[in-house]
Amino acid sequence: QQQVKQSPQSLIVQKGGISIINCAYENTAFDYFPWYQQFPGKGPALLIAIRPDVSEKKEGRFTISFNKSAKQFSLHIMDSQPGDSATYFCAASMGQGGSEKLVFGKGTKLTVNP
Amino acid sequence: DAGITQSPRHKVTETGTPVTLRCHQTENHRYMYWYRQDPGHGLRLIHYSYGVKDTDKGEVSDGYSVSRSKTEDFLLTLESATSSQTSVYFCATSSSGTGHSPLHFGNGTRLTVT
Repeated sequence: QQQVKQSPQSLIVQKGGISIINCAYENTAFDYFPWYQQFPGKGPALLIAIRPDVSEKKEGRFTISFNKSAKQFSLHIMDSQPGDSATYFCAASMGQGGSEKLVFGKGTKLTVNP
Repeated sequence: DAGITQSPRHKVTETGTPVTLRCHQTENHRYMYWYRQDPGHGLRLIHYSYGVKDTDKGEVSDGYSVSRSKTEDFLLTLESATSSQTSVYFCATSSSGTGHSPLHFGNGTRLTVT
């Protein structure tokens, strides 16, 4: 029940296309859903996060869509660029729990071809 | 980022030897974490610290120990390295320990156990 299932494992998109990464969770106590972006040779960095009181959050070309009833959330990257090529991790946590309880998906390696 | 330096960046060691990885932060964050990243497993928490001399186990703590004698330093020790501990190790910090607090990651240490 503590898992976050992420798909696909890898994704290849052409420049200008839309990249979509999906995550699903079971624990309804989760109330914070961040996405981390990791470039090769670097540590992950927080990209964008959403709480379940909204269905969508947009920051530039990056949008999180959240479906509370389905217990699913997804990251959309519009107009994908080669510079977006990275590994993306979804995660989930509970505000009442500690940050040590942050649960990560297994990651999606995104390649954007020029 | 939060000024997190991991050392060494790369290390090759032999099975059975002890290994210590160091994480140093300049942001005065109270909370610090050690994760390992492996293909197909994503990020898994090894140990974490919620203050000087205050540490606790994470999901995959067997074979690892930690110490935190100063706010800025968090050490991870592999008591007797095994090939299964070949991985990329990431240190992270957060300013508060709530489930909504973003993690700030270092750039990792790639450890190979031969």
